[in-house]
Amino acid sequence: DTGVSQNPRHKITKRGQNVTFRCDPISEHNRLYWYRQTLGQGPEFLTYFQNEAQLEKSRLLSDRFSAERPKGSFSTLEIQRTEQGDSAMYLCASSSGATGGNQPQHFGDGTRLSIL
Amino acid sequence: QKEVEQDPGPLSVPEGAIVSLNCTYSNSAFQYFMWYRQYSRKGPELLMYTYSSGNKEDGRFTAQVDKSSKYISLFIRDSQPSDSATYLCAMIMNSGYSTLTFGKGTMLLVSP
Repeated sequence: DTGVSQNPRHKITKRGQNVTFRCDPISEHNRLYWYRQTLGQGPEFLTYFQNEAQLEKSRLLSDRFSAERPKGSFSTLEIQRTEQGDSAMYLCASSSGATGGNQPQHFGDGTRLSIL
Repeated sequence: QKEVEQDPGPLSVPEGAIVSLNCTYSNSAFQYFMWYRQYSRKGPELLMYTYSSGNKEDGRFTAQVDKSSKYISLFIRDSQPSDSATYLCAMIMNSGYSTLTFGKGTMLLVSP
């Protein structure tokens, strides 16, 4: 069990640029989640994949955000035309379990996005 | 009112103290409860995962759930400076999708 891996750990970019983050889940986990965490707050749900299917998206996920999980393995989260308000820690989590199960989610160390 | 309420602290205690961390929630649909520990600039680390009302113990940690009062607690015995971190409560509804709803987190400082 190598844990959930996220890259890069820190991304600094200018407002208006596009950024992409990668998440590699624990290998046997078929569920993958993206959360966003701002300073002093708990993580907030963004989107959820069961294998390669994106099953749920939060209203926080504006049309500038897109996530993919090709082949049900790693996932990418892209933010287009970044804004100051996008500055946050982007966390990825994974869990095992068939639809309806509630196995615990394990988190990576996140990608910290800083918008200049 | 937020779905999950948690006092942000900070909570400062001396080494060896018993620590009590708490969360309340408003939605009775929450059925699974977790406690995560988060160190600065790190991701949340799962500490405890419970479903039933009552107590669950793991080493120095005890998780307590009272579904009738919509109240959960985490107790840390013999606290250590290495326990200094932010503690997040999280919960899941018993539905087909397992998205976590978190509290704000409580910052704990354990002084030597």
